[in-house]
Amino acid sequence: QKEVEQDPGPLSVPEGAIVSLNCTYSNSAFQYFMWYRQYSRKGPELLMYTYSSGNKEDGRFTAQVDKSSKYISLFIRDSQPSDSATYLCAMSGAYSSASKIIFGSGTRLSIRP
Amino acid sequence: NAGVTQTPKFQVLKTGQSMTLQCAQDMNHNSMYWYRQDPGMGLRLIYYSASEGTTDKGEVPNGYNVSRLNKREFSLRLESAAPSQTSVYFCASRRQETQYFGPGTRLLVL
Repeated sequence: QKEVEQDPGPLSVPEGAIVSLNCTYSNSAFQYFMWYRQYSRKGPELLMYTYSSGNKEDGRFTAQVDKSSKYISLFIRDSQPSDSATYLCAMSGAYSSASKIIFGSGTRLSIRP
Repeated sequence: NAGVTQTPKFQVLKTGQSMTLQCAQDMNHNSMYWYRQDPGMGLRLIYYSASEGTTDKGEVPNGYNVSRLNKREFSLRLESAAPSQTSVYFCASRRQETQYFGPGTRLLVL
C-alpha cells in the first residue's frame, strides 16, 4: 500500500464549477500537508500548505485536513480554464532537513470554457 | 533570482551511455533533491542532500549517483543509461516544508 493515495483522474469540469481534489494517507506521523500545482511541461509549484488539522483558505482555494480520517482535500471555487493542471498532494512528518516529503501521484484537472 | 535551474532541458541517450544532469539553486537552501516523474507514478525520490557534504538514497536510487558539489549545486549522474531511465527528472531545493522545483530535464534512453 502506498503511503499517499490520490485519484489520478483525469477530471473534467465546466468553467465556474466547484472542484474537489482528494488524497488519503496511511502514516499517522504526517503533520504537514501541501498541494502543488503542475502545469504541462513545467515543474510543480506550491499552491497551499497546512499544518495539522483544519481548513485554510486562499482566494478561490481551500485546503482541508482531517487527520482522524487521514484524508485531505483541495477545493477550487469558480474554477477557471487557467486552473487546468495536474494537482499533487504532498505530506511530511516533523520537520528536519533530513525529513522527506511524500507526494501523491497527481490528479489531472481540465476546466472546460 | 533564478530559483532552481536545470540543464539540459532535453537529452536523448543510447543504452549504455553516461550523462550528468546539472542543478543549481540561488536561494541559499541547505536541502536539495532529485526526483523522477513517470506517468501514473507521481514524483519518486532518487537521492537527496540534507546539507552540503551529505547525500542519502531515496526511493529509487539504483542506476544513479549524485554529487553535492557545494551549497548551490547538486548533480545527478547516470553511469550506464537504460531504457527504464526514460523519464522527466526534477531537481528541487527546500526551505522548511516548501520545495522549489526546477523546470525539469526530459530524458529519452533508446
